[in-house]
Amino acid sequence: ELKVEQNPLFLSMQEGKNYTIYCNYSTTSDRLYWYRQDPGKSLESLFVLLSNGAVKQEGRLMASLDTKARLSTLHITAAVHDLSATYFCAVLNTGNQFYFGTGTSLTVIP
Amino acid sequence: EPEVTQTPSHQVTQMGQEVILRCVPISNHLYFYWYRQILGQKVEFLVSFYNNEISEKSEIFDDQFSVERPDGSNFTLKIRSTKLEDSAMYFCASSEGRAPYEQYFGPGTRLTVT
Repeated sequence: ELKVEQNPLFLSMQEGKNYTIYCNYSTTSDRLYWYRQDPGKSLESLFVLLSNGAVKQEGRLMASLDTKARLSTLHITAAVHDLSATYFCAVLNTGNQFYFGTGTSLTVIP
Repeated sequence: EPEVTQTPSHQVTQMGQEVILRCVPISNHLYFYWYRQILGQKVEFLVSFYNNEISEKSEIFDDQFSVERPDGSNFTLKIRSTKLEDSAMYFCASSEGRAPYEQYFGPGTRLTVT
């Protein structure tokens, strides 16, 4: 079974700081997705990364994919309180099944 | 903006009872999915559905589970005899096509089995 690991699991950071969330996965895939989930809410799609070296940016978030290293990163620049949420990466296997990571709970402190 | 809707938002049921969770996918979407999230844990894929049949399913999706598209708009997940460990948030999602098309998630149904 494809395993997807994120770290850190919990992240508390001050406003204005930068940080990176890591997503490692165990088997070959070139399809990786990042989602955001607010407490008690559903999942909101952030990024879809479909090839090695793909980089996408939206506001203060930037995601990248290295398929050779089986690693995706979600970089947060100059964090603001509104970014507080849980972030999940999800990898699509060859069988078209999604495997989600463990999630990173981000708290941005004023 | 079109969205996926789910009903009920919260369902409480006794162990052994059958439950049906309902979803209305986005109208022009062709692929439908069910996921579950046990409280505080990761999201787990259950099943995908296309052209009125199951496309993929996970190990979690055993004989206790079934899915159906009873009409042109609803997509349902039935759990025949609920167990305590079925307590979770169940999310429906839909997409225009097979992955990598983006999946749009509904707000979820919180199922509590007592």
